[in-house]
Amino acid sequence: EVRLVESGGGLIHPGGSLRLSCSVSGFTVSDNYMSWVRQAPGKGLEWVSVIYPRGNTFYADSVKASFTISRDFFNNTLYLQMDRLTVEDTAVYYCARKVGSYHDYWGQGTPVTVSS
Amino acid sequence: EIILTQSPDFQSVSPKEKVTITCRASQTIGTSLHWYQQKPNQPPRLLIMYASQSLSGVPSRFSGSGSGADFTLTINSLEPEDAATYYCHQSTNLPFTFGPGTKVEIK
Repeated sequence: EVRLVESGGGLIHPGGSLRLSCSVSGFTVSDNYMSWVRQAPGKGLEWVSVIYPRGNTFYADSVKASFTISRDFFNNTLYLQMDRLTVEDTAVYYCARKVGSYHDYWGQGTPVTVSS
Repeated sequence: EIILTQSPDFQSVSPKEKVTITCRASQTIGTSLHWYQQKPNQPPRLLIMYASQSLSGVPSRFSGSGSGADFTLTINSLEPEDAATYYCHQSTNLPFTFGPGTKVEIK
């Protein structure tokens, strides 16, 4: 059975850092394209970042200077390091697997609130 | 960047009626356009892939059509459990993008 479980969200002050984790079972993270997608309160879905099987990483312009996507082969886990957080980064963060040109499996999300 | 626009933003529909949601891409994307359903406090659920391909477990009342830049999601005979927000999505071209969503309410 495929499962994606995000963790690491919480309340953080502006300018702070958080590292989100996405623990995966049922497939190998490093063999797949993996994305982070976020959803601000009451808003739509926004793609944040992707990591390719070869390790290439790409980011939305809004986070390019402050977020870093990575993965751990041994723990089969995807990460999102978020630095210099602003109130605009407040959202539920989902990890998702990308297959072809769509995302099939999604986690339940972890909420991040940036507030003073 | 491929911008996806959806219409309408909101639709209030009686059960058993038909719902049609359109998605227009700012450039042609063949059939690499996918539809998701999202209910409150849940992750998106893939409904239709590659414009018109149904997925196992998705009720047959959901169908998609279109190619190029214009796409349609149709819900035939709306059920109460179809109350949700529907998003179109492309992740062929970076940055990956989603439409703004269409909220479907049951009258």
